[in-house]
Order: sequence, then C-alpha cells, then structure tokens
Amino acid sequence: QVQLVDSGGGVVQPGRSLRLSCAASGFTFSTYALHWVRQAPGKGLEWVAVISYDGNNKYYADSVRGRFTISRDNSKNTVDLQMNSLIPEDTAVYYCTRTNGNYRGFFDYWGQGTLVTVSS
Amino acid sequence: EIVMTQSPATLSVSPGERATLSCRASRSVSSNLAWYQQKPGQAPRLLIYGASTGATGIPARFSGSGSGTEFTLTISSLQSEDFAVYYCQQYNDWPQTFGGGTKVEIK
Repeated sequence: QVQLVDSGGGVVQPGRSLRLSCAASGFTFSTYALHWVRQAPGKGLEWVAVISYDGNNKYYADSVRGRFTISRDNSKNTVDLQMNSLIPEDTAVYYCTRTNGNYRGFFDYWGQGTLVTVSS
Repeated sequence: EIVMTQSPATLSVSPGERATLSCRASRSVSSNLAWYQQKPGQAPRLLIYGASTGATGIPARFSGSGSGTEFTLTISSLQSEDFAVYYCQQYNDWPQTFGGGTKVEIK
C-alpha cells in the first residue's frame, strides 16, 4: 500500500535551519511529483513546494522562496525539504504529499506530518 | 492567485441529517476542484476530485457538484465519524490553493 512517512521536525531558533525528509513506499516513486504542504497551528492548509518526477523542476510558494529547497532521491524513494533562515511564521505541521505526474493536481496520499516549531 | 472561500465556517448538524458545504473560487477553476476531510491530529484525506468523482474507498454518502466558481460538498446522512474539518482545493491555476475550511460539528 502507498505510504509516505514524514520526519525531521523539531524545535529550532529563528534564523536556524532544519531538514525534513519523507520516505515513500508502495508506488512507483519516480513517476510522481512530490509536494510539501504545511498547516500552522489551528489554521488551514498552505502549499509550500513541489519537485517534478525527475527532480529537474522545482517550484515554491512566495512565502518560502529563497529560503527553502526541495530535493529528491529516486534511488532511495525520498524527498527532502531543506529549510533555512527559519522565522516564527514557519511554525507548522509539514506534510509530504504527491500528485500523479503533473505539478498541479489533487493530493491523493499524505504523510502523517511532522511538526516544526520556530521559537527562541 | 485564485482565492477559495468556504462557507459556512462552522456547520452544526445532527447525526443522520444532511450537510451541505460550499466553496467559491475567485475565478473559474473549471472542474479542477478537490475536497478533503481532516480530523484532529490527522493528515487530510482526499474525498472528491474533479469536482464530483469520489476517491477510492470513500462512502457514497459523500458527493460533490459544481463547476466554474461554485462548488458543493454534500454529506447525505451524517455519521459520527464525519464530524471533522473539510477543505476544498483548486488545481486549475498555479499555485494550487485551499479554502479556509468548514468545521462540521455535532448539533
């Protein structure tokens, strides 16, 4: 069965960095675009970043562009989110999710989420 | 970017009753709209895509309708496990955007 397992969250001071990871199984990883979507405490869902099936194309939300970098390893079935220059507004649960092929689409499977707290 | 507006913010419904949730797009998204259910402490779960197609394993009491800018999610007879927050998402334009959610609570 399809599984996405998110990890790497924690408490970090403003200005510091954190790296999230998502391990995938149960599907042909190299044919899916992979996304990160976040949810601030008590708030709604916000799309953060996407990487194409082959890793050649990456797009970011305006709120994180220049600070976050998404990457993938199709040999290990993993996708990472490197988060630099973190600010308190980045505090959220981060979910890994996928779309079939295209960057735009509906998200049919989600990871369980990993909590990032940016606080001094 | 396209702004998605959901109403009402909270819907109080008795078990067994029908629930109707609305989602409006700031401009047309054709039928490129999905609905998700989220329970506390859990990830969102896909319910509907293409505005009206049920995702795998979703009970028939969940149905979606609409196109363009106006969409509806209907739960025909609410079960105890349906009390949750529901989000719509458009994927017609970049970036894909979510509505603010409707919380369905027990009346």
